[in-house]
Amino acid sequence: ELKVEQNPLFLSMQEGKNYTIYCNYSTTSDRLYWYRQDPGKSLESLFVLLSNGAVKQEGRLMASLDTKARLSTLHITAAVHDLSATYFCAVEIDFGNEKLTFGTGTRLTIIP
Amino acid sequence: SQTIHQWPATLVQPVGSPLSLECTVEGTSNPNLYWYRQAAGRGLQLLFYSVGIGQISSEVPQNLSASRPQDRQFILSSKKLLLSDSGFYLCAWSGLAGDRALSTDTQYFGPGTRLTVL
Repeated sequence: ELKVEQNPLFLSMQEGKNYTIYCNYSTTSDRLYWYRQDPGKSLESLFVLLSNGAVKQEGRLMASLDTKARLSTLHITAAVHDLSATYFCAVEIDFGNEKLTFGTGTRLTIIP
Repeated sequence: SQTIHQWPATLVQPVGSPLSLECTVEGTSNPNLYWYRQAAGRGLQLLFYSVGIGQISSEVPQNLSASRPQDRQFILSSKKLLLSDSGFYLCAWSGLAGDRALSTDTQYFGPGTRLTVL
């Protein structure tokens, strides 16, 4: 059974600081996705990582994938309050599976 | 562009009552469709997914059922709600391009239905 774990589960950080959220998974993965969820809202797609060594960046967020280590990271640079949200990674095991297994989520709070 | 709708947005139902949540997708054809449940402060649990009309796969045993009567319509139902059915229900769609190397299985989520069973 595929397990997807994120850490930390909760993160409180000051504006302007850098931090990294980690996503570990237990089985060889085909692809990895990052989503954002604001309180009481739905999920918004952030990044799709399609191969080993893939790196995607959007604004202050940068995601990377190491398939050999079964690890993805979401790095936050110079955090701002608008980035406060819960972040989920999701893993797709193999082609034709049509299913994603979601991580536990990391609740990020940016303090002014 | 594609859009996904869910209704109702909020629902409060007594234990033992029936349930029907609806999800529709616009702007695409033959999407994969998914129902998830999110308990308060928790992650997402996949309940059902469908790759075509009338094709439903259930992920967890429960008193819920799903149906796909039309290509872009996905319905989540229950004959008798339990307290444990409370949660945030999310519908999602994904679609593959002809060449998988050029496409992704990114799932796009609807706005959700918040269900409270009392």
